[in-house]
Amino acid sequence: EEQLVESGGGLVQPGRSLRLSCAASGFMFHDYAMHWVRQIPGKGLEWVSSISWNGSSVAYADSVKGRFTISRDNAKNSLYLQMNSLSAEDTAVYYCTSDTARAYTYFGLDVWGPGTTVTVSS
Amino acid sequence: QSVLTQPPSVSAAPGQRITISCSGNSSNIGSNYVSWYQQVPGAAPKLLIYDNNQRPSGIPDRFSGSKSGTSATLDITGLQTADEAHYYCGTWDSSLTTGTFGGGTKVTVL
Repeated sequence: EEQLVESGGGLVQPGRSLRLSCAASGFMFHDYAMHWVRQIPGKGLEWVSSISWNGSSVAYADSVKGRFTISRDNAKNSLYLQMNSLSAEDTAVYYCTSDTARAYTYFGLDVWGPGTTVTVSS
Repeated sequence: QSVLTQPPSVSAAPGQRITISCSGNSSNIGSNYVSWYQQVPGAAPKLLIYDNNQRPSGIPDRFSGSKSGTSATLDITGLQTADEAHYYCGTWDSSLTTGTFGGGTKVTVL
């Protein structure tokens, strides 16, 4: 069974950092682009960041550019999101999701994790 | 405010057909594939349609997608109470070089 499981969320103070991880299983992780999507409870989906199948290409939403870094380790079937200089506006559920293709511009977000909650508050 | 425009809500009786629209521009829908997602409260989104009109395995053919120019449509036929959920369209924006979602449409089965 194709599965993604996020971890690393929690309560963090404004200005601090957090690193999210996403463990993949049941599919050829290295063959697919990956994305992070977040959602404030009760609100819509917000795309955060994407990375190509081999990590050579990445993209970020303007709201996180310069603060967040996406990366992957295909040997470990894992995706990461390093989040720095966090603010209250980053409070959301963060989803890890795989694409249907190697390039993230296809934007077919196939497998989704259950999400991990990030709360930024003092 | 979302780059892609969806109606906030759509409602219909069981067994009916509904259509959800998603409007964009030439740099997003006009030049990239469109995908559609279903999200029920408390759960992660689920992919319904990718590459404009392709269904992942396990998605019933009651769900279909199409694209014309800078707009896309999700059709749901034989509406069921289990279809009550929020639906989102998504695509890549080649000009902004970002992913983007519509604001979401809440479907209510009367």
